[in-house]
Formats: sequence, C-alpha cells, structure tokens
Amino acid sequence: GQQLNQSPQSMFIQEGEDVSMNCTSSSIFNTWLWYKQDPGEGPVLLIALYKAGELTSNGRLTAQFGITRKDSFLNISASIPSDVGIYFCAGQDSGNTPLVFGKGTRLSVIA
Amino acid sequence: GAVVSQHPSRVICKSGTSVKIECRSLDFQATTMFWYRQFPKQSLMLMATSNEGSKATYEQGVEKDKFLINHASLTLSTLTVTSAHPEDSSFYICSARRSSYEQYFGPGTRLTVT
Repeated sequence: GQQLNQSPQSMFIQEGEDVSMNCTSSSIFNTWLWYKQDPGEGPVLLIALYKAGELTSNGRLTAQFGITRKDSFLNISASIPSDVGIYFCAGQDSGNTPLVFGKGTRLSVIA
Repeated sequence: GAVVSQHPSRVICKSGTSVKIECRSLDFQATTMFWYRQFPKQSLMLMATSNEGSKATYEQGVEKDKFLINHASLTLSTLTVTSAHPEDSSFYICSARRSSYEQYFGPGTRLTVT
C-alpha cells in the first residue's frame, strides 16, 4: 500500500526560529494536505495543495506540492510557543479515496 | 465553516458493554465520513469509510461486527464499539469530507474500557 515518509520525527527549536518538515511518497498523490494536532484534540487542516509545483501560504505557514507529486514540505517562519504540536502530512489519490497519513512531526518550541 | 463535532469527548465504560460515538458535520453536508483510531504518539489509523445511505467500508483487520458504523444522514455518522474490552481503549477521531479534497476532523473521543 501507499506510505508516506515524514521527517523529522521530532524537532526542538528556539522561539523565533524557522521550521521545515517534509513528506515523501513512493507513489504519486494528486492532493497534499497538512494538519496540526494538539494533545487530546483532532487534527486541524492548515494547508491544502492541489497542483504540482503549487506554493501556498497561510500566515506564517508555507507549503509546497512537489513537482514530481511525490513530495511536499511545510515551513513555519518565526515560530512561537503555540506552534507546539504534531504536524501530519496527508496525501490523496483522488476525491473518492481516503487520506494516507505520514507518521507526524512533533514540534517543541523553547521560549 | 467546516466544523465537525464528536460526542462524547470522553467515555469510560466497563468491559463487555457497548459505547456509541457520534460524529456530526455542523455547517456542511458530508456524503462521506471516516473513522480513525489513534494510539499514543502514533499517527491516525483509518478504520472505516462511512457513506451516507450505504454500508461502511472497513479497512483490513477491522472487525465490522465489533465496530458498527451507521451513516443515517448527511450530517451524522455513528460508531458503536460493541462488547468493548480494555484493548479497545483508544482515541477515536472522525472526519467529514466537505468537497472532493477537503477533509475536516472532529475533536476526538477518548474511550477507556475498564
């Protein structure tokens, strides 16, 4: 089955630093989504990417859909304490198929 | 917009009893909803896809007779864990598909079976 490799698994950064995480796949996806999950909560959609090469921003977050359609990255600029959480990438073949999730990147921000 | 609720948020039940979890899309209609299970420090594991008006599609290894799913309307899907055992204790999360590519998650339900 399809699998997503998400890295890094965890990150410890200083407040104010920029963060970068990425996902790679062994197969092509037509949609990439990035979610953030706080402890004890459900994932919240951050950014959705629909076209290869697409670069989309949401405030301090920027994500890109790789040209090969097998990868995506998420950048967070000028991190703040509330950025702490687990970030998941997810890929989707088509509108009728379930999302395939990465294993998550646990972000810790040191004030 | 795109709000999904779950009820209850936490439930503790005794081994052998059944528990029903509700998932509602509050401001949109969802022909498809999904049920996930998440263990501590792990990713989401898809259990089943719930389609309004038809039988749910279960992932390999998920017992359909144990995890009963009903998607009776375009805004409500329920998951019933029947004859629950301690190993069923987990965080159950639903999601609802608003469009072909946008999926929104509920806040999750923490199930503890004693």
